Amino acid sequence: DIQMTQSPSSLSASVGDRVTITCRASQSISSYLNWYQQKPGKAPKLLIYAASSLQSGVPSRFSGSGSGTDFTLTISSLQPEDFATYYCQQSYSTRATFGPGTKVDIK
Amino acid sequence: QVQLQESGPGLVKPSETLSLTCTVSGGSISSYYWSWIRQPPGKGLEWIGYIYYSGSTNYNPSLKSRVTISVDTSKNQFSLKLSSVTAADTAVYYCARIKLAALGGYYYYGMDVWGQGTTVTVSS
Repeated sequence: DIQMTQSPSSLSASVGDRVTITCRASQSISSYLNWYQQKPGKAPKLLIYAASSLQSGVPSRFSGSGSGTDFTLTISSLQPEDFATYYCQQSYSTRATFGPGTKVDIK
Repeated sequence: QVQLQESGPGLVKPSETLSLTCTVSGGSISSYYWSWIRQPPGKGLEWIGYIYYSGSTNYNPSLKSRVTISVDTSKNQFSLKLSSVTAADTAVYYCARIKLAALGGYYYYGMDVWGQGTTVTVSS
């Protein structure tokens, strides 16, 4: 299976900050990478698919980049509703695997 | 808009079979892939498997010997069975729709609609 890692595992940030989360795959996955946001007690929400395509209805402050093994999720100006845990997921293989998550909390 | 709702027992005894159903409303189950994902308490997400509306399946190798996913198009539902459960199977179980997107001649997939999740505890 393709293993996914994320860094950092957690971060503290303030409203208005630019936040970057990194995801790395154990082998090349081209652009087959999704990002999800999960708030406590809620189901995950798809933010980005195909590494950089914004899911319908997701604010434009979210963006994704990367290809091969290294990917980033950027929040250009952190809003109060963005405090959550973010997961990457590879879709290169039909056997999906998720990263361990990055928790973004309030500084 | 499409909505998903998981249902099933919240408590299952060790060695028994966990059975959950996901009901799709606001849209047809046809022409899509559907997935089950779980999340143990305080931990990350684990993909369990998926099914196409026609019945073809694909499972997580680590669970494959114990998992069965089936579909009932007449009821707009798909189901999960996990046999021989242990405490390690205690988790929130989510069902989700798989979105396929064609970009530049390639197909990408992601889980774009999720149920609210149902907590299943394995305990005697």
